Amino acid sequence: GAGVSQSPSNKVTEKGKDVELRCDPISGHTALYWYRQRLGQGLEFLIYFQGNSAPDKSGLPSDRFSAERTGESVSTLTIQRTQQEDSAVYLCASSLNWGTYNEQFFGPGTRLTVL
Amino acid sequence: AQKITQTQPGMFVQEKEAVTLDCTYDTSDPSYGLFWYKQPSSGEMIFLIYQGSYDQQNATEGRYSLNFQKARKSANLVISASQLGDSAMYFCAMREGKGAQKLVFGQGTRLTINP
Repeated sequence: GAGVSQSPSNKVTEKGKDVELRCDPISGHTALYWYRQRLGQGLEFLIYFQGNSAPDKSGLPSDRFSAERTGESVSTLTIQRTQQEDSAVYLCASSLNWGTYNEQFFGPGTRLTVL
Repeated sequence: AQKITQTQPGMFVQEKEAVTLDCTYDTSDPSYGLFWYKQPSSGEMIFLIYQGSYDQQNATEGRYSLNFQKARKSANLVISASQLGDSAMYFCAMREGKGAQKLVFGQGTRLTINP
């Protein structure tokens, strides 16, 4: 079955450029999450979408970061005017909003390198 | 204050031995869930085991078990009969509240299984 997919798998960009990262969640999953993982670190929460509710943007590190989600499908994370400190792996996850675990299923990530 | 603390940056264990990975957490929410994820060198995040705050028994999944001590706010992962393929980063994470919510991750423990 199809899992969470992300594109591109790798992105190299120059400082100051804008980048868009894409996430396709598992079909039927109403919740979608973006996390950032710097080298050798744990995952940092960025933003969370749940159905038609207002997204939880509490983890976005600056106003250069934004994300959108179309209904209960694709999401894009946009980083404007990228900085070298934005270099990290960006992971997307999705989950159901019912059940015992609400286990989050993760995509393979997008490795972003800002030169 | 850190919500999830993993105090062991690295662990080295002989194959076939059992290993315990430590995790302590901090929350005032009576309803929460604790997760363990495995991240091999490939980078994917693999869900291992879940413990809910109201669960009366410790969770078990095959060779994985969770030593849940609620009063001490600890949720240690126990891997029995370790295998070479268990070498990976292991992350403890917490969800506060019910349903689909963001996860807060610890910094991880790098486990190396020696033959």
